[in-house]
Amino acid sequence: QQPVQSPQAVILREGEDAVINCSSSKALYSVHWYRQKHGEAPVFLMILLKGGEQKGHEKISASFNEKKQQSSLYLTASQLSYSGTYFCGTEDAGNMLTFGGGTRLMVKP
Amino acid sequence: KAGVTQTPRYLIKTRGQQVTLSCSPISGHRSVSWYQQTPGQGLQFLFEYFSETQRNKGNFPGRFSGRQFSNSRSEMNVSTLELGDSALYLCASSGDRYSPLHFGNGTRLTVT
Repeated sequence: QQPVQSPQAVILREGEDAVINCSSSKALYSVHWYRQKHGEAPVFLMILLKGGEQKGHEKISASFNEKKQQSSLYLTASQLSYSGTYFCGTEDAGNMLTFGGGTRLMVKP
Repeated sequence: KAGVTQTPRYLIKTRGQQVTLSCSPISGHRSVSWYQQTPGQGLQFLFEYFSETQRNKGNFPGRFSGRQFSNSRSEMNVSTLELGDSALYLCASSGDRYSPLHFGNGTRLTVT
């Protein structure tokens, strides 16, 4: 079952902050975050593992609440380059990585 | 290091035909996953191969199949194409579990 992302779309002005949420009905072992720009392949942002370990870009911040099966991606002081569609992927006990429907983010000058 | 390479980039097929898509992973990566991307549906998991074995399969009909070779290159086959199979098919490779996925630029399949 696909994780649910919210919001589905968000528009920001440069310098504003945003939070993208991802929730699952299943117990999770890891959460991945990727960003896809129009016409390009998705690009890795971060992995959050059960137990608290994180792997990813220094400028990206995220959280993983294992008990609630939820993750949030924090985008602070947004830049024009942050525009794109953000996908969360969740890995359950079956080791299958399932992606949410995406959150479209647009940053305007 | 060369990235994930998918061929061809574009394909146009007619209903009922079959198609084979190819994916060459990053050197050293043994896991290859395939995803279907359509507007409004996000990334739908098709299957994952690791060391020539299918490790996971998504909820797609049997018309969708794949395989992985000993050099980790992977192919995906779709038989008896339907209009609804029109999509961007993305391949991703990774080194091991809990490693980032590296996506190719995809193959855009159009079924007419």
